[in-house]
Amino acid sequence: GAGVSQSPSNKVTEKGKDVELRCDPISGHTALYWYRQRLGQGLEFLIYFQGNSAPDKSGLPSDRFSAERTGESVSTLTIQRTQQEDSAVYLCASSLAVRPEQFFGPGTRLTVL
Amino acid sequence: AQKVTQAQTEISVVEKEDVTLDCVYETRDTTYYLFWYKQPPSGELVFLIRRNSFDEQNEISGRYSWNFQKSTSSFNFTITASQVVDSAVYFCALSENAGNMLTFGGGTRLMVKP
Repeated sequence: GAGVSQSPSNKVTEKGKDVELRCDPISGHTALYWYRQRLGQGLEFLIYFQGNSAPDKSGLPSDRFSAERTGESVSTLTIQRTQQEDSAVYLCASSLAVRPEQFFGPGTRLTVL
Repeated sequence: AQKVTQAQTEISVVEKEDVTLDCVYETRDTTYYLFWYKQPPSGELVFLIRRNSFDEQNEISGRYSWNFQKSTSSFNFTITASQVVDSAVYFCALSENAGNMLTFGGGTRLMVKP
């Protein structure tokens, strides 16, 4: 079946603009996760959804970051007033509620000029 | 708090050599899960394996094998007879429950030269 998909694959924006990143999880996966990977580094957890509720937002780096999810489907990560330090690859993953392994999408590479 | 350490930032081997990637973890939970992911140059993270904390049996899958030792909090990954296609960044990760965030190590970049 189809894997996790993310759009856009690349986004270049100017400092101060808002951006929206989209994630389509694997069909039937109730859990959805957002991570950030800065160049040459490991992954940082941002937020996790179980269904459309977000029990863990602990990783969101500032109030400029927000995310929402419609039911057990698409999720959108929004970054307001982007800064250069927001430049990174944003990765989305999904999993079944009762299984711990997460399956990742190809990521969105965000560049803030 | 959880922590995963991959002390080897970069390893270079010649094709057909065996190579072991080290992973050490910290957690206060008695039940947890450990993972290895591969990130090839294309960038997409590929799930390789998951181990449960209550199952210390080692696992072999083709040229890949994993050695889980709770006594030393380690979950090492060995590639036997490495190939150029094994070149990638490998991440070790930990989660405390199904449906929880993954805590990743910093990754080990493996370069396999022909």
